[in-house]
Amino acid sequence: DTGVSQDPRHKITKRGQNVTFRCDPISEHNRLYWYRQTLGQGPEFLTYFQNEAQLEKSRLLSDRFSAERPKGSFSTLEIQRTEQGDSAMYLCASSLDGTLRETQYFGPGTRLLVL
Amino acid sequence: DAKTTQPNSMESNEEEPVHLPCNHSTISGTDYIHWYRQLPSQGPEYVIHGLTSNVNNRMASLAIAEDRKSSTLILHRATLRDAAVYYCVGSGGGADGLTFGKGTHLIIQP
Repeated sequence: DTGVSQDPRHKITKRGQNVTFRCDPISEHNRLYWYRQTLGQGPEFLTYFQNEAQLEKSRLLSDRFSAERPKGSFSTLEIQRTEQGDSAMYLCASSLDGTLRETQYFGPGTRLLVL
Repeated sequence: DAKTTQPNSMESNEEEPVHLPCNHSTISGTDYIHWYRQLPSQGPEYVIHGLTSNVNNRMASLAIAEDRKSSTLILHRATLRDAAVYYCVGSGGGADGLTFGKGTHLIIQP
């Protein structure tokens, strides 16, 4: 399968714990995006990378959230001191060059439940 | 941001055409109109996109109004596997992140 992959697919954690998610984009894609989706809502943009550079962060991305893409390939999203409001599906997407007409390809998501 | 407005849900019968409308009155001249769909417990899947002209691919057709303030996704012959939430998305949200609304929940009756 050469699509976008995410790991883990599901994560249950207790409030206050740290969690880290991984995303592997399509191999030749330069752009990588993170979105968050809560029940009944569409995905909300969090941040994106052009190669290893993080170029934009949404206001939704609080200081407890950090994302990296160290070698311009896979990316990690870490949430520190998780809160119940962080419970959501975290989606990763990639695209070839990020032009306005460019298609973004989404992974299956990581579903986080904070108890 | 190119904000979009879609009906919350629509229902259609299997093997009949489906027309899913979307209003995007604030769209700018350079924003593309993208359609994605999402099945339960899966990430969004690209369906089609366009700028000014009508577009066709193997999955669907996209009809864009001349003033670009609305568009319609056309599934020519719906199957049960087309039951999903369909999102009409405007690109160009400053950060190149897509701005999703709540989408249309399409129900297909056998």
